[in-house]
Amino acid sequence: QQQVKQSPQSLIVQKGGISIINCAYENTAFDYFPWYQQFPGKGPALLIAIRPDVSEKKEGRFTISFNKSAKQFSLHIMDSQPGDSATYFCAASGEGTGGGADGLTFGKGTHLIIQP
Amino acid sequence: DAGITQSPRHKVTETGTPVTLRCHQTENHRYMYWYRQDPGHGLRLIHYSYGVKDTDKGEVSDGYSVSRSKTEDFLLTLESATSSQTSVYFCAISSGRGGDTQYFGPGTRLTVL
Repeated sequence: QQQVKQSPQSLIVQKGGISIINCAYENTAFDYFPWYQQFPGKGPALLIAIRPDVSEKKEGRFTISFNKSAKQFSLHIMDSQPGDSATYFCAASGEGTGGGADGLTFGKGTHLIIQP
Repeated sequence: DAGITQSPRHKVTETGTPVTLRCHQTENHRYMYWYRQDPGHGLRLIHYSYGVKDTDKGEVSDGYSVSRSKTEDFLLTLESATSSQTSVYFCAISSGRGGDTQYFGPGTRLTVL
């Protein structure tokens, strides 16, 4: 049972464009939604996170949009740069979720390539 | 990597052998997690710990056991490794449960032949 569905699997964007990655969740017990960035050979690193009491959060070129009623959230990368090329994971957590262990439930990831 | 080390970083072993992976943190964080990462699956939680000697199962715990005898160390053991356990294993730490940031280690690439 996949509780967090992420799309697309891969994405190619031109330098300077907007990259958009979408996630949908099923479990209404989720109350924390982080995005992680992972470079080859490295561990995931937190990029930005949101809680359901706000509909949008912006940090620099990265924005999370959150739609509680639709149970969807998305990552927007403005002015995408070649250095943004990485794999991005959405995730969710909440009390009693994550297999009952409060760990993060991850989407399957999006491989983003920014073409110069 | 937020004061997290994992050892070994790479390991090749044979089916049926026991394997122990170590996660060591210098942040004094209470919560520690083990995830596995496989192509097409993202990261999946194996086990986690909420304190010394306090552990619980995650989504994919079958075939794995864990131990935490000190705050800084969290061990993951494959009692009898199988080829399906070939994966990249990540340790993560957090100061709180649920909505607190989880910081990930550099990972251990395990190959079971």
